[in-house]
Amino acid sequence: KNEVEQSPQNLTAQEGEFITINCSYSVGISALHWLQQHPGGGIVSLFMLSSGKKKHGRLIATINIQEKHSSLHITASHPRDSAVYICAVISDSGGGADGLTFGKGTHLIIQP
Amino acid sequence: DGGITQSPKYLFRKEGQNVTLSCEQNLNHDAMYWYRQDPGQGLRLIYYSQIVNDFQKGDIAEGYSVSREKKESFPLTVTSAQKNPTAFYLCASSIGPGQLVPNTEAFFGQGTRLTVV
Repeated sequence: KNEVEQSPQNLTAQEGEFITINCSYSVGISALHWLQQHPGGGIVSLFMLSSGKKKHGRLIATINIQEKHSSLHITASHPRDSAVYICAVISDSGGGADGLTFGKGTHLIIQP
Repeated sequence: DGGITQSPKYLFRKEGQNVTLSCEQNLNHDAMYWYRQDPGQGLRLIYYSQIVNDFQKGDIAEGYSVSREKKESFPLTVTSAQKNPTAFYLCASSIGPGQLVPNTEAFFGQGTRLTVV
């Protein structure tokens, strides 16, 4: 069974700090997603990764397939970055009905 | 603009009543999904549909029912048999099965928060 573990579960930081959220998984995957869920509940896809690194604005996502680990970094954090960040993986062995296994999320609060 | 619309945003239900959550998409997506989210837990799949007039149970289908009479619509009914229905419900769609969020090819709705009173 594929397990997806995120750390930390909760993170509070000051505006401007560099933020790192980690995601580890237990089986081979074909892709990994980072999602952002705002307090209202809506979810937005930030990145899909299968190797290497991607950057979008102040967000950077990296993945190490051999180590089964991904990180999401936020540079120059801002209060508007406060949200729940969710890691989701697509198993290369087929996975569930939708092919996805979700982590429990990391609740990030950026204080001004 | 294309997207997924869930309604209502907040819903209150009395114990013993059935309630239906709406999900509509105008993205021409074949596959649609319903997830449940509880505090401290990851998203869990309730039901999914890969094509009109077909749907399959997910991991936690007991106490729920769905229909897929139109490509655009995938309503979820929370029945009185669902023992713990208070939760946040998310609908999603994608171009095809197994590819829920391939970059911008899949979308989540804004969610419905159901509370049983």
